Amino acid sequence: GNSVTQMEGPVTLSEEAFLTINCTYTATGYPSLFWYVQYPGEGLQLLLKATKADDKGSNKGFEATYRKETTSFHLEKGSVQVSDSAVYFCALRMDSSYKLIFGSGTRLLVRP
Amino acid sequence: NAGVTQTPKFRVLKTGQSMTLLCAQDMNHEYMYWYRQDPGMGLRLIHYSVGEGTTAKGEVPDGYNVSRLKKQNFLLGLESAAPSQTSVYFCASRGTSGRGYEQYFGPGTRLTVT
Repeated sequence: GNSVTQMEGPVTLSEEAFLTINCTYTATGYPSLFWYVQYPGEGLQLLLKATKADDKGSNKGFEATYRKETTSFHLEKGSVQVSDSAVYFCALRMDSSYKLIFGSGTRLLVRP
Repeated sequence: NAGVTQTPKFRVLKTGQSMTLLCAQDMNHEYMYWYRQDPGMGLRLIHYSVGEGTTAKGEVPDGYNVSRLKKQNFLLGLESAAPSQTSVYFCASRGTSGRGYEQYFGPGTRLTVT
């Protein structure tokens, strides 16, 4: 079946460090890929998305590129801030599907 | 425009008690979803609805019932709560075109069953 695998956290970084959170997927077909962010005490918010191979999603300094050859959608940011501390979820959706399939989430802690 | 709201925010139940969680959205979305979030497991879909008067099972429907009597509301019921249902519950909604494909989430309900 379709699934999403994320690196386990927590990931602890100092402010202004470079961030990578790995995400790989298994899917029968070509899904759309998403990163959601959950700040403490809140629901999930869409951070960025990509709908086809080689697309790059970007938002708030975060980027992720849809890599079909490696079935990956790694999240990157060049310089993290304390305010980026949150849980990040990778997810996929097959075309015309009602359903998002989530990874287990990666907690990011950024220290001043 | 409040988006997706959930009531209540917190609840503690004893085993065997019942309760209903309310989700409301003001975006005229067709699709609504109930998820549960457990540590290390991401979000798992409990039930969903593709329109007023419709409901369907997701990945983990056992022990839950839902109703969508009005387009803007989606209710999640626990008839006889069990400790395994201790979790954080999220409601989400989405439209059917354009940016509507994005799922919008509520702030969550933290439920503890003792």
